[in-house]
Amino acid sequence: AQSVAQPEDQVNVAEGNPLTVKCTYSVSGNPYLFWYVQYPNRGLQFLLKYITGDNLVKGSYGFEAEFNKSQTSFHLKKPSALVSDSALYFCAVTISGSARQLTFGSGTQLTVLP
Amino acid sequence: KAGVTQTPRYLIKTRGQQVTLSCSPISGHRSVSWYQQTPGQGLQFLFEYFSETQRNKGNFPGRFSGRQFSNSRSEMNVSTLELGDSALYLCASSSSGRGLAGSSYNEQFFGPGTRLTVL
Repeated sequence: AQSVAQPEDQVNVAEGNPLTVKCTYSVSGNPYLFWYVQYPNRGLQFLLKYITGDNLVKGSYGFEAEFNKSQTSFHLKKPSALVSDSALYFCAVTISGSARQLTFGSGTQLTVLP
Repeated sequence: KAGVTQTPRYLIKTRGQQVTLSCSPISGHRSVSWYQQTPGQGLQFLFEYFSETQRNKGNFPGRFSGRQFSNSRSEMNVSTLELGDSALYLCASSSSGRGLAGSSYNEQFFGPGTRLTVL
């Protein structure tokens, strides 16, 4: 079975400061890891993914995430937060293979304060 | 390319009725997955279709079913609606074939969802 934990329901950060949204995972096998963002009344937008290769993954809108196998983590980061980054962020995992069954974390509401 | 489209965007039904939701994937995408999003349970995988075949199914009762047509459009059906079926139903499409660095996984692109309210 695979699972994802996002330990923080809410993260507040001041505009211009760095932000981190935490994610840890549990899978049997090699993980494929993803971050998605959801704005109110919208579907999910893909930010970035880790499949293999470099542990530091760069994605859309200046976001990046670091895959840490020993800590089974995949934290989302951005060097300088914008008010427009305020949204609900989801971490997701699946295992290698052709199935596209994502297991999502519970989500973290990010609020960037002006 | 046009994104994933879902119709209708909003639905109100009463208990015991059935409902059909539709999803049109991104052109060229052959995989369509469905997810249910509720405040209590979060995002949960329902099923995935590829080339008109169900490849994977989540832990939902048999009242939830789906199908995929030859043009990759997909529908999901919920019969005998219950109050707890009120949710945002999201459809996601993905291309087949190989992704980055030899992986066989390509990310999923989500539609805006159908908001189902069961009264």
